[in-house]
Parts: sequence; structure tokens; C-alpha cells
Amino acid sequence: QLQLQESGSGLVKPSQTLSLTCAVSGGSISSGGYSWSWIRQPPGKGLEWIGYIYHSGSTYYNPSLKSRVTISVDRSKNQFSLKLSSVTAADTAVYYCAREVENYFDYWGQGTLVTVSS
Amino acid sequence: SYVLTQPPSVSVAPGQTARITCGGNNIGSKSVHWYQQKPGQAPVLVVYDDSDRPSGIPERFSGSNSGNTATLTISRVEAGDEADYYCQVWDSSSDHPYVFGTGTKVTVL
Repeated sequence: QLQLQESGSGLVKPSQTLSLTCAVSGGSISSGGYSWSWIRQPPGKGLEWIGYIYHSGSTYYNPSLKSRVTISVDRSKNQFSLKLSSVTAADTAVYYCAREVENYFDYWGQGTLVTVSS
Repeated sequence: SYVLTQPPSVSVAPGQTARITCGGNNIGSKSVHWYQQKPGQAPVLVVYDDSDRPSGIPERFSGSNSGNTATLTISRVEAGDEADYYCQVWDSSSDHPYVFGTGTKVTVL
């Protein structure tokens, strides 16, 4: 059974960089046919797709966040990561990592709350 | 970018049928996926490709899609079905391809 687990800083100061990692177990991140996404959900609000990465390293980002987002993959550790720079209070959210197959998300991490506050 | 509109809330009595709509321009030409999210938990895929169910999802969950509206139907509603439900599509013509609906809170009376 595939499992995804987010980790990283739960509190980030405004203007700093948010960093999260998603560890994948029960399967290889290098398996073909999948992409690996980050999705976020502000408190009490809906879901917003942030971006994805393929095992090859190719990425695609939400245009509204593109200038601040970097997603990378570490195949040796079977994990992928998110960096979001210049954060503001509007970036406070639960951040999920998820596997995408055939344009839908079949496995999700449990999510991690990131609060942007001084 | 493509917009998906859902009713904010749906209320249903136990044992009855809940229908959750997802509206979008010519959504019938796209594949629609549905997620269930209970409080404090990650979303769970309950229907994909309009009407297919992942392994482990009860047959009570079904989906349809035509014209400008997709529908998730929950038959014989149980208390455990109380959750937020989100539709999602992949819009190939958009620079923001993964689009989620606004979400619907299902309340079991």
C-alpha cells in the first residue's frame, strides 16, 4: 500500500521560504505513469493545486504561484520537496502531497499545517 | 481558467439519496473525479473518470456527467458519509490544468 508523508516546518515567518518534503513508501517514486503533486487548503477553504514533478524531474506549476514555487525530487530517498518563497499570511494552509495518475489524485498524504506568522 | 461550481451545502436524511452537482462549461466533455474529505483528514478519491469507483469505495457512491453538469450520487446515506465533497477535472486547454470545485458540505440530518 502506497503511503505519502509530509514533513517540514509548521511555522514560517513572513517573507521567508516554506520548505516541505513528502516521503513516499510502499512504491517507487521513479515508477512510470505517475506525477507527484503538492496541493494546499487554507483553513476553512477549498483545494488549490500548486504543482507537480515527474520522476524525470520535469515540473509544472500553477501560474498563480509559479514565480515563488520550486518542486524537486530526490530519487535516492524516494521523496519530493516543495519550496515556496516570499510567503505571506495568505500562504497559511494545510499542505498535501499526492500521487497523480490519469489526471486524478489517488493517494494523498495526511497533510501538514503551515502557519505564516511573525 | 476553468471554473467548477458546487452548491455550498446539501442536507439529507439517513437512508435517503444525496445528489451533489458540479457545474462547468461543457463539463460533459471532460473526465470528472470526486473526493470525500472528512474533518481533519486528507481527501479520499471516491469516484474517478465520471463513474468509476476505486477499490474499497461502496457501490452507494456513483457518478454521472453530461452537458454542463456532473453529479455525485450517494445512495442509502449513512451518518459516516457526512463530509465535504469536491469535484475535480483536468483542463488540457488551461495553464492551470488541475481544477477543483468549490466544495459541498453534506450534512446527514
